[in-house]
Amino acid sequence: DVKVTQSSRYLVKRTGEKVFLECVQDMDHENMFWYRQDPGLGLRLIYFSYDVKMKEKGDIPEGYSVSREKKERFSLILESASTNQTSMYLCASSLVAPVSTDTQYFGPGTRLTVL
Amino acid sequence: AQSVTQLGSHVSVSEGALVLLRCNYSSSVPPYLFWYVQYPNQGLQLLLKYTSAATLVKGINGFEAEFKKSETSFHLTKPSAHMSDAAEYFCAVRPGGGNKLTFGTGTQLKVEL
Repeated sequence: DVKVTQSSRYLVKRTGEKVFLECVQDMDHENMFWYRQDPGLGLRLIYFSYDVKMKEKGDIPEGYSVSREKKERFSLILESASTNQTSMYLCASSLVAPVSTDTQYFGPGTRLTVL
Repeated sequence: AQSVTQLGSHVSVSEGALVLLRCNYSSSVPPYLFWYVQYPNQGLQLLLKYTSAATLVKGINGFEAEFKKSETSFHLTKPSAHMSDAAEYFCAVRPGGGNKLTFGTGTQLKVEL
């Protein structure tokens, strides 16, 4: 079974702090994704990566950056956290090239609260 | 650009009744379509996917969905609801040849005794 793990289930940070959300997958997937989930808005793509050190902006990249130094690990960085970044963050991974029908596998999510 | 509309943010059914969750999509190219389920405090899990093969797709836990190009729909059904089906359901679309999933806003399913 594919396993996608996220470093924290719950996180509380203060406005202005730098925040790191970590995601690790154990199935040698090329693609990794970061989404945020908000009530009534569904999931929105923040960034994705299709290879080590490669990244592309998603639909809402403002205020976020990412890092992928190793194939299995994809980090989401909030350079200066703000209250409007309070949300559920979901990481996902998928196999093969971007052009595929392959399934995205999701981690359990990190619920971030910014005070 | 592609988009997904899920009609009804909340659906309530009785145990044993038919489950019907609606999804309409918009895509400029032939799409791949997905249904995911999210149980409380968990990530998303794939229920089923349409990838241009059979238009009637069967998934896990007795769910199925039918791709109807003429109606641009991909509704999710289950003949008999079970209490364990209570969850949030998301429809998603990816254009064939594309690399991004676009999700709907989700439908919360409640199953009552």
